[in-house]
Amino acid sequence: AQSVTQLDSQVPVFEEAPVELRCNYSSSVSVYLFWYVQYPNQGLQLLLKYLSGSTLVESINGFEAEFNKSQTSFHLRKPSVHISDTAEYFCAVTSTTDSWGKLQFGAGTQVVVTP
Amino acid sequence: SQTIHQWPATLVQPVGSPLSLECTVEGTSNPNLYWYRQAAGRGLQLLFYSVGIGQISSEVPQNLSASRPQDRQFILSSKKLLLSDSGFYLCAWSAFPGQADYGYTFGSGTRLTVV
Repeated sequence: AQSVTQLDSQVPVFEEAPVELRCNYSSSVSVYLFWYVQYPNQGLQLLLKYLSGSTLVESINGFEAEFNKSQTSFHLRKPSVHISDTAEYFCAVTSTTDSWGKLQFGAGTQVVVTP
Repeated sequence: SQTIHQWPATLVQPVGSPLSLECTVEGTSNPNLYWYRQAAGRGLQLLFYSVGIGQISSEVPQNLSASRPQDRQFILSSKKLLLSDSGFYLCAWSAFPGQADYGYTFGSGTRLTVV
């Protein structure tokens, strides 16, 4: 079974400052990794994912995450945040051998961007 | 393009009343379907998943049940609601794991309050 640990429950950050959200996973097999964002009272939206290939993945809105197999991490970064990035962010993992594709989510990190 | 519809958006139900939440997917066939519950401050908990019509698997024992009467329809039900069933319910679909487009697409969620 897989598990995900998001090390920070809340991250306050000033507008235009960088932010890093930490995610570590545990798995005895190869994994697929995801980051989702959730705005208040909405469903989750996919930010980016690692399935295979380059370990650095990017989203269209400036976020990036790097898969580090040796450290079992998939940290999310953005060099300069906007007020609109205020949201909750979830890291998720599934085994590459799970044909049902069940995702295990972390507890989430609330990002609060202030002017 | 694929879309997922989930309704109703909000629901207030008395204890002991029945529940039916519906989720439909358009633009794809034979999706994997999932029901998650998000309780305040507790992350996302997988409730049910389905890989085909009539094929339902439950992750946790509970007061809820799920059905998949059609390929792209997923229903969450309860005969008698409990206070502990309150939460934010999210439906999601995914392609087969490992495909290039693999990743969950979530509905907009249903906020259920049992009173």
